[in-house]
Amino acid sequence: DGGITQSPKYLFRKEGQNVTLSCEQNLNHDAMYWYRQDPGQGLRLIYYSQIVNDFQKGDIAEGYSVSREKKESFPLTVTSAQKNPTAFYLCASSLYSGNQPQHFGDGTRLSIL
Amino acid sequence: GNSVTQMEGPVTLSEEAFLTINCTYTATGYPSLFWYVQYPGEGLQLLLKATKADDKGSNKGFEATYRKETTSFHLEKGSVQVSDSAVYFCALSPNTGFQKLVFGTGTRLLVSP
Repeated sequence: DGGITQSPKYLFRKEGQNVTLSCEQNLNHDAMYWYRQDPGQGLRLIYYSQIVNDFQKGDIAEGYSVSREKKESFPLTVTSAQKNPTAFYLCASSLYSGNQPQHFGDGTRLSIL
Repeated sequence: GNSVTQMEGPVTLSEEAFLTINCTYTATGYPSLFWYVQYPGEGLQLLLKATKADDKGSNKGFEATYRKETTSFHLEKGSVQVSDSAVYFCALSPNTGFQKLVFGTGTRLLVSP
């Protein structure tokens, strides 16, 4: 079955440490996205990528970095510069066309030790 | 700019009650509209969509009609079940080239037996 796989499901970060969240899709989608969700809040866009080797900042990109070396993969690194990283992180993908729905992974919950 | 406004939650209902979750939007042109559902600890799943005025999206007993005159896309279900307890997000996608999805803040639904 096609879908989006995020790993790990739970992740713990020590102070001053960078961590990388994995996102892989086998839907042959061109566009991929990373969102952050805080308790009781909506989704905020961190980064998005329309095609391989290209990505743009979203609304809250500070303290995060991404890469898009393969169509299927869009890893997110939470750097030590992100001072409040505890959140639920969601990866999504869609066909290029603007009115296509996004498909989501099951998320990664990041906590600080 | 583009924006989506949802009613504040939580919405608390008894099983078999009628559900309405209000959603209004602001957008230039003619966006596509979506409802997503998020069950506890999971990612978002597309529930239904509508791509033009007067379209009705439906799925699993849920319905929403794209009302251009009132810029609304209210979610309804005739008889809710305990298993419908989740957070519901309204979203829009502008239909002009590649554009990011714009999400509402979500509405939590709690259904008791």
